[in-house]
Amino acid sequence: DTEVTQTPKHLVMGMTNKKSLKCEQHMGHRAMYWYKQKAKKPPELMFVYSYEKLSINESVPSRFSPECPNSSLLNLHLHALQPEDSALYLCASSQDWASGANVLTFGAGSRLTVL
Amino acid sequence: RKEVEQDPGPFNVPEGATVAFNCTYSNSASQSFFWYRQDCRKEPKLLMSVYSSGNEDGRFTAQLNRASQYISLLIRDSKLSDSATYLCVVSPPDTGGFKTIFGAGTRLFVKA
Repeated sequence: DTEVTQTPKHLVMGMTNKKSLKCEQHMGHRAMYWYKQKAKKPPELMFVYSYEKLSINESVPSRFSPECPNSSLLNLHLHALQPEDSALYLCASSQDWASGANVLTFGAGSRLTVL
Repeated sequence: RKEVEQDPGPFNVPEGATVAFNCTYSNSASQSFFWYRQDCRKEPKLLMSVYSSGNEDGRFTAQLNRASQYISLLIRDSKLSDSATYLCVVSPPDTGGFKTIFGAGTRLFVKA
């Protein structure tokens, strides 16, 4: 069983809908991540939060809005998405080192379909 | 040139075979290196971190060659359960290790 929990596992939404993906970890990790993965492609980094502050935004369109309410929770708010945004959205967490290797623990993902 | 490049495969090998994957990276100042494994429709999971001195975990051996900017993964005595996509992951410098770049992955099929 994964130690990073993502909900929902599957989500179907229309282009005018507003929905949210949720991620939770209780490993005491201080860095949390959102990745997007299309079929047969590697994960692509979207956002990184370190100590609940946004550290990296990989020029993600504003229709994706991340939120980190506390060190255990990470949300991704979705609004006015396009069909090409359909993908597997992976949450990950890692220990926060001042420098050096951050080993990622991934959740099982939320599979999003935009109609 | 892509930041992280891998041979996509697929590699089709019989059980018991030894198979090697290579990965090259473009930024010579990259800090951290990993191999992840991803099963079909599952999340990636860490297989090994890769150190300059090389490291081994059972049937798996990882090597880093900083001069040539490549990372390798050797799997000995392949098992059916080793069938998966193997992702090379590199952290570029000056991002505190947070930014991770995944290679496109190498697919391995181990057959009986």
